[in-house]
Order: sequence, then structure tokens, then C-alpha cells
Amino acid sequence: AQRVTQPEKLLSVFKGAPVELKCNYSYSGSPELFWYVQYSRQRLQLLLRHISRESIKGFTADLNKGETSFHLKKPFAQEEDSAMYYCALYLAGNKLTFGGGTRVLVKP
Amino acid sequence: KAGVTQTPRYLIKTRGQQVTLSCSPISGHRSVSWYQQTPGQGLQFLFEYFSETQRNKGNFPGRFSGRQFSNSRSEMNVSTLELGDSALYLCASSPGQGKTEAFFGQGTRLTVV
Repeated sequence: AQRVTQPEKLLSVFKGAPVELKCNYSYSGSPELFWYVQYSRQRLQLLLRHISRESIKGFTADLNKGETSFHLKKPFAQEEDSAMYYCALYLAGNKLTFGGGTRVLVKP
Repeated sequence: KAGVTQTPRYLIKTRGQQVTLSCSPISGHRSVSWYQQTPGQGLQFLFEYFSETQRNKGNFPGRFSGRQFSNSRSEMNVSTLELGDSALYLCASSPGQGKTEAFFGQGTRLTVV
């Protein structure tokens, strides 16, 4: 069965420190993976997707099919990065399977 | 471009009642998906509609149903409400036709008492 796992419920880092959010998936086909972010009092929004291989707000994520992972990284965290982050696997019929989410708290 | 709009934003209902939630997608988007978000279960897929047809359904009981109209607006209905149905219900729209990015609404917070 398709599954997305985010092992950390909470990540607390200091401003300027690196941050890495882990995401592992289980899927037999060729995966299409996303990271979505929800800032306080805002709607869930797309942060980045693996097929575009771009950096958004300093975040990058690399798909590792061997390790079935899609970890999200940022070398220098900022206070405005504090938010809830969700890793999601796209399935046919516009179905997204989400991980449990990781709350990131960036301390000054 | 206006974003995805969900109405109402908040609802309080009594056990046993039914409720209808509404979602207006981004103009031109033909796919609408619904998700339930709870602290315990996280974000769970309910169903997806494309051009008025349900294409995909999650593992929810038949009390949860939906429909999509010719203008792509969608409604979700929950009958015989249970306390466990209390959740944030999110709607997402996508262009469809191979474009997979989902745009989410603010959600409807349903409380069943």
C-alpha cells in the first residue's frame, strides 16, 4: 500500500542553523512527490515538487529512489520558516497521500 | 485569480444531523478533491471529482458523499453525523489534464456536538 512517513513530529532549530525534514515513502510505481507547507493561519500551499528540481525559499528536496526518501533541507533556517510541513505522494486521480506532518519551530 | 473558496468557514452541528459543505475551485480548474484533517489521523483523502464524475474515493463510510456541478463547484455531504466527524475539511482544486499541483482552500471547521 502507498504510504508516506514523516518520523519527526516537531523539529526545533535556531535561526541560521540547518534544518532537514525527513520523508520516506512506500510506492511500487514511479513516485511523484511534493512538499506542502502551512504557515500559521494560512492555507496549505505547495512548497516544491521533485520533478521541478528547484529551490524555493532556500529549500531543496532530492528524491532518492534507492532509499525511498524525499527529505527537505535548508542550510540556514529563518524565523519565517516556522510552519507545518507535509510530504505528499501523488497518486492517479489527483489523490494525495500525506505524511503526518512535521512542525518546524525556528528560534531566534 | 481568486483562490479556492470554501463555505461556510465554521459549522456546529448535532449528532445525527447532516451537513453540506461547498467548494468553489479556481477558475478553469476541473478537478476538485476533498480531504479530512484531524489531529489524530492527519490529512486523509475523501474523494475527487473531475468534470462532474467521481474518479477516486478514499476509505470513508458511505455517509460521506459529494458531487460536482457543471461549473466545477463541488459540494460534500455528511449524513448522520457522528462526534468523530469533527474535523477540518479541506477542498483542493487542480487544473487536471496532467497538471498535478493542488491548490487548497481555507477549509471548513466542522464541530459535531
